[in-house]
Amino acid sequence: GENVEQHPSTLSVQEGDSAVIKCTYSDSASNYFPWYKQELGKRPQLIIDIRSNVGEKKDQRIAVTLNKTAKHFSLHITETQPEDSAVYFCAASKYTGANSKLTFGKGITLSVRP
Amino acid sequence: ETGVTQSPTHLIKTRGQQVTLRCSSQSGHNTVSWYQQALGQGPQFIFQYYREEENGRGNFPPRFSGLQFPNYSSELNVNALELDDSALYLCASSFNRGLNTEAFFGQGTRLTVV
Repeated sequence: GENVEQHPSTLSVQEGDSAVIKCTYSDSASNYFPWYKQELGKRPQLIIDIRSNVGEKKDQRIAVTLNKTAKHFSLHITETQPEDSAVYFCAASKYTGANSKLTFGKGITLSVRP
Repeated sequence: ETGVTQSPTHLIKTRGQQVTLRCSSQSGHNTVSWYQQALGQGPQFIFQYYREEENGRGNFPPRFSGLQFPNYSSELNVNALELDDSALYLCASSFNRGLNTEAFFGQGTRLTVV
């Protein structure tokens, strides 16, 4: 089955700097890659996603890039703010016409220092 | 905030007991997925329901079962509770339209088995 790995497991950046979180996946048939942000004690919140027919997607300070050949995708956050501090999960999904289960990475804790 | 709601928010059960968790999906969504999130880990797929039928299952034993109702709400039942079942249980709703679509999570039910 699919295996999703995230690196690094923790990341600390200075406010205003950029943060990059990388994920790798194993199943070349995966075609949907969402990113979730989870604050302490709260639900995972979808922040951006990308499909396999696109190489990059941006939404204000957040962008995601996908390299299908290398089977990795990355979350880029520019001009980080203290409220960006949270756990970020990447996931991969392969729609088979039957179900669209998400396989998650273990998460990365991002700390933005004021 | 998403329209996905779960109940109860917290629950304490004794080993060997049975538990039922509930999820109301977001309006317009027809698919509900259940995930188990252990402390410090990413969510793990339990199963998915579409049109009141199980539509894919992860690596969980048969004592984990579920239902989906005509209004697309769903239940997760766990029999013969074990200490390792202690986790945050998340449901996610989405709309199955022939390709991967965004999944939105509820706030979760924190289950503690003692």
